[in-house]
Amino acid sequence: DGGITQSPKYLFRKEGQNVTLSCEQNLNHDAMYWYRQDPGQGLRLIYYSQIVNDFQKGDIAEGYSVSREKKESFPLTVTSAQKNPTAFYLCASSITGGTGANVLTFGAGSRLTVL
Amino acid sequence: GQNIDQPTEMTATEGAIVQINCTYQTSGFNGLFWYQQHAGEAPTFLSYNVLDGLEEKGRFSSFLSRSKGYSYLLLKELQMKDSASYLCADMDSNYQLIWGAGTKLIIKP
Repeated sequence: DGGITQSPKYLFRKEGQNVTLSCEQNLNHDAMYWYRQDPGQGLRLIYYSQIVNDFQKGDIAEGYSVSREKKESFPLTVTSAQKNPTAFYLCASSITGGTGANVLTFGAGSRLTVL
Repeated sequence: GQNIDQPTEMTATEGAIVQINCTYQTSGFNGLFWYQQHAGEAPTFLSYNVLDGLEEKGRFSSFLSRSKGYSYLLLKELQMKDSASYLCADMDSNYQLIWGAGTKLIIKP
């Protein structure tokens, strides 16, 4: 079955450590996205990529980094520069970006807690 | 500016009908989406409206009025499994989604 897989599901980190969240899709989608979800707030876009080897900052990119070396993979690194990293992180993909009926398929999410 | 509003929480009874409203104010508009998200899980796509009117899909329907910056999601014959958060998102002129905070729907027997 095609889908989008995030790992790990739960992750604990000490302050000052970088962590990398994995996102893999086998849907042959061109576009991939990382969102952050906090209680009482809408999803906020961290980074997105519409094509391999290219990505753009979203609304809250500071303290995060990404890479898109393969079409299937879009890992997110939460660096020590991110001041408030505890959150639920969602990866998503779509057939392509930049169109109207751009339906997103989401992964199950990764919950990061900073101790 | 960009702003999207929906109620924080709603309660309804199993078998009943509920309407979840969403208002938006964005610079440019390329469609309005509704997603369902069960607690701790991934959001899943429910509907997309880009033209005014009602789109019906089984027990769920979605309505859009572009002139009023208004949409609603209508859920009929409510089932316990419909207990979830419902996320409204509109697509701006750059084809980026602006998300509401979600409406938590509680279904009571």
